[in-house]
Amino acid sequence: GIQVEQSPPDLILQEGANSTLRCNFSDSVNNLQWFHQNPWGQLINLFYIPSGTKQNGRLSATTVATERYSLLYISSSQTTDSGVYFCAPLTGANNLFFGTGTRLTVIP
Amino acid sequence: DAGVIQSPRHEVTEMGQEVTLRCKPISGHNSLFWYRQTMMRGLELLIYFNNNVPIDDSGMPEDRFSAKMPNASFSTLKIQPSEPRDSAVYFCASTPSSGGVGEQYFGPGTRLTVT
Repeated sequence: GIQVEQSPPDLILQEGANSTLRCNFSDSVNNLQWFHQNPWGQLINLFYIPSGTKQNGRLSATTVATERYSLLYISSSQTTDSGVYFCAPLTGANNLFFGTGTRLTVIP
Repeated sequence: DAGVIQSPRHEVTEMGQEVTLRCKPISGHNSLFWYRQTMMRGLELLIYFNNNVPIDDSGMPEDRFSAKMPNASFSTLKIQPSEPRDSAVYFCASTPSSGGVGEQYFGPGTRLTVT
């Protein structure tokens, strides 16, 4: 199956700081989703982004499918942003392959 | 609108017992997925259905696991007999498009503990 690498694995931010999370994948994909898994375990949809850039409030994402990577930008981080961020490319077999995630901790 | 609904939210059972997890997808969604999350293996797809028909069950770990979707609004994942290594969080997801392509929406998960 496709290999998905996320970096950094762990990130600690002061509240108000900005960050960029990266997702590299090993094969061509039909689409890609970003999720936030909050401390209660819920998987929250952030972006569904096969290519280009999308923005939603303080978050934005960019996928460059031809170069097999996606970036998630978090600006003006808040403590509620803490949790694990997953990148999940969707392959031709209609299977979401999840990366190992980036664990973000935002401290006040 | 209600999201994906899963029950129970927590299940504790003894080794050898049968366990049944339940999922109600978002109304109107045509594809349904079962995932499992463990510390060792992360999030992985077990099986997915398209229009109630199982399409890909290659992720089902072994014959002890079975899944059904008798109608468009209900699916079950059964483990019989359960083993301690089955302890995990099991997620159900659905997507509105046929063929499994499209944004997937996840339920809250069922945390299973097998002692």
